[in-house]
Formats: sequence, C-alpha cells, structure tokens
Amino acid sequence: EIVMTQSPATLSVSPGERATLSCRASQSVGTKLAWYQQKPGQPPRLLLYGASTRATGIPGRFSGSGSGTEFTLTISTLQSEDFALYFCQQYEKWVTFGGGTKVEIK
Amino acid sequence: QVQLVESGGGVVQPGRSLRLSCVASGFNFDDYAMYWVRQAPGKGLEWVALTSYDGSYEYHADSVKGRFAISRDNSKNTVYLQMNSLRPEDTAVYYCAKDGELLGWPYYFDSWGQGTLVTVSS
Repeated sequence: EIVMTQSPATLSVSPGERATLSCRASQSVGTKLAWYQQKPGQPPRLLLYGASTRATGIPGRFSGSGSGTEFTLTISTLQSEDFALYFCQQYEKWVTFGGGTKVEIK
Repeated sequence: QVQLVESGGGVVQPGRSLRLSCVASGFNFDDYAMYWVRQAPGKGLEWVALTSYDGSYEYHADSVKGRFAISRDNSKNTVYLQMNSLRPEDTAVYYCAKDGELLGWPYYFDSWGQGTLVTVSS
C-alpha cells in the first residue's frame, strides 16, 4: 500500500497570506495525485487532479505542483472560505489518502 | 448537475447487517466507476469499495473484505453497499463518490454525496 503523509497537521495562516501544504508518497505515484478540501459537516470537494489540474469551478488561487513522491498545494491569497481541512489522494496504485492538513485562522 | 444521494445509514448492533444505497443523477451513470469512501468521526478518509462502470469488477479494502459487498444496478442509477458482520470500528460517515474519468478506475473522485452515518454500537 502506498502511504501518503501530509504536513503540517495544522497550518495557522492569516487571511490574505499564502499557504503551502505538503504531501509525500511512500513510493512514486507519478502525477496521479489529487487534492480535496473539506469543511465541517460537508463532503470533500475535489480541488486538483493530475497533481496540478484544477477541477471545474476551482479558483485560480489554488495551484498544485510536484511529481513522484513530493507534492505541494499552494493557496496564493487565503480567503475566509479557504479555512478548512485538505487531503491529498494517490491513484497510481488503488487509492490511499493522506491524513489531512487543517488550515486555521492565525 | 451531478447528484449523489445516499441512504440506509443508522444505528446497528455489532454483528448485524446494513445496506446502503446511493442514487445518482445528472450524468451517464453506466460510464463511470463508483466508490464508497468512509470517514470515522474526526478522522481521515478511507476508500472502502469500488465497482467498475459496468459492474463486472468489484474491489474492496482489506479492512472490509469478506464482510462488505459493493454492487450496482445501472437500470436504476444506483450503487449499493451491503455491510455484514458490522464492527464498532466500522462506525463512520459513508460517502458515495463518482470517478473522475470515463470508463476507467481508479482515479480521483469528482463528485461526492452528502454521506450517511453508520453507527455500530450495542
């Protein structure tokens, strides 16, 4: 099983600032990496797939990079609605999720 | 507009069974693999089961293999999860999710239902 590790567990950021979230795979997944956002009481929402392709309707302030085992989700200018939980997911070999990063207001 | 609506959750005693359903609309259901993904309270996401677009392939996570069974009825745009021999550790919100790519699996999940809560407790 490919293990996905996200860091940090919690990220404290002020509105308007940049947030950088990391996701590491225990073995190469190429670019078969997706990112999701989840708010309390809601299902996850797909943000990015293929490591860097934004899903339909996702604002341009969300961007993704990386390949192989190291990936990054960047939120360029945090809006109030971006404070949430973020998960990465690999689909190179079946499906596994990272443990999540909570982005909270500083 | 893609819609996935789950039902069938509830409180059940350990060892008992439950059947979840997910009715889909807004897309060609028989073109996409479908999944069940669960999330224990305050925890992360865990893939549970996958059915291929035509139902010819079904896969289950090791944690539920032999106890849970996914199936689909393309004539009803519905995917099911039969859960037997339930354990307290199966307590979670169960989400139905749609694959993001046509005719293949597994990929990413581009649409999710609101989820249905399953609580296994005596």
